[in-house]
Amino acid sequence: KAGVTQTPRYLIKTRGQQVTLSCSPISGHRSVSWYQQTPGQGLQFLFEYFSETQRNKGNFPGRFSGRQFSNSRSEMNVSTLELGDSALYLCASSLDRGLGETQYFGPGTRLLVL
Amino acid sequence: GQNIDQPTEMTATEGAIVQINCTYQTSGFNGLFWYQQHAGEAPTFLSYNVLDGLEEKGRFSSFLSRSKGYSYLLLKELQMKDSASYLCAVRDLGRMNRDDKIIFGKGTRLHILP
Repeated sequence: KAGVTQTPRYLIKTRGQQVTLSCSPISGHRSVSWYQQTPGQGLQFLFEYFSETQRNKGNFPGRFSGRQFSNSRSEMNVSTLELGDSALYLCASSLDRGLGETQYFGPGTRLLVL
Repeated sequence: GQNIDQPTEMTATEGAIVQINCTYQTSGFNGLFWYQQHAGEAPTFLSYNVLDGLEEKGRFSSFLSRSKGYSYLLLKELQMKDSASYLCAVRDLGRMNRDDKIIFGKGTRLHILP
């Protein structure tokens, strides 16, 4: 079974631009979560999607948004990029929501904002 | 509020045993995970605890005390390949059980010496 895939793997943008990242979960997984990882803050939860609905959102500004499609694939969008948005963006999928559901992480998209 | 603390770095010798501690404060605890992350790679699942006690899985064991808000990951017979960051993560349902987020600690970087 193929793992979680994320595209693109690397991205360079300039301040003020917007970016869209894509995540394909493991086949059959319905929950997709997004995280931002930086050396200073570690892994921080962005949002979770389940059955095409955003179920939870972390403490990030409205510039960060996402969506999930009927095939469980998910995209996240960051508008008006800032230098501080430079980070590794990780997507994780799980079979369902609830107790003990293990999350399987993709390789991440490394975003550099200049 | 939500807070997860773990040591920033630890060093141990090949063949030895090391214990990585994690303390947490959450509103609605609903399980604790340990993940391993090698440099430049995505996190991978190690263990899950929701009830008090010790869960053993090969060379790795994880312990949880809900009353103390405390967990540890025990690694035995250390190998060079165990050099990685170890992330403690807590599932938090929030005060009114309305949220369902996974909150990560900043990770403990473990160095294994020959």
